[in-house]
Amino acid sequence: GAGVSQSPSNKVTEKGKDVELRCDPISGHTALYWYRQSLGQGLEFLIYFQGNSAPDKSGLPSDRFSAERTGGSVSTLTIQRTQQEDSAVYLCASSPKNTEAFFGQGTRLTVV
Amino acid sequence: TQLLEQSPQFLSIQEGENLTVYCNSSSVFSSLQWYRQEPGEGPVLLVTVVTGGEVKKLKRLTFQFGDARKDSSLHITAAQPGDTGLYLCAGDRVKLSFGAGTTVTVRA
Repeated sequence: GAGVSQSPSNKVTEKGKDVELRCDPISGHTALYWYRQSLGQGLEFLIYFQGNSAPDKSGLPSDRFSAERTGGSVSTLTIQRTQQEDSAVYLCASSPKNTEAFFGQGTRLTVV
Repeated sequence: TQLLEQSPQFLSIQEGENLTVYCNSSSVFSSLQWYRQEPGEGPVLLVTVVTGGEVKKLKRLTFQFGDARKDSSLHITAAQPGDTGLYLCAGDRVKLSFGAGTTVTVRA
């Protein structure tokens, strides 16, 4: 597709379960970001991939969170042993250069 | 601590009024961007400013980048209900960092 695609769009999971969120960036974009957004709040940086460099994981809130980017394209954000405070919208963005970022629609995660 | 501080946090105005949103930092950025986010959507890029002192206009929106490339402002003239949304600034300093956003509500 032409834009950034995220799946699923909505996910309801039970506390303690693991979840995987997927991001398909725009083809050719070397940079990929994951952000978390709570209701009515700004964007909380989670992780940044740039080309073949080691990812910047400085925003991951705990070791329950991890992400990978395979072949410089698709990325998966994994949250293990989900907690209720993990409930939020998870946004992915890709960028050809850091002067513009293109966002997906987000995945709304609800932990019950 | 946010690298970029936005003010005000909330702004509610009547249709036809003007408004200004500020984005400030103590750091220098290679570029600064403004995005608007509507409910249920991801942020959408409005403009990128690159040169210190640069002013860009997008219809009723005017964006200014500070001379020292540490701050920016967004001014909306004669605001309309369609301008309602969360306005986010972002700075390019190795990676993109976002401010906390300003929620703008324009009442008809």
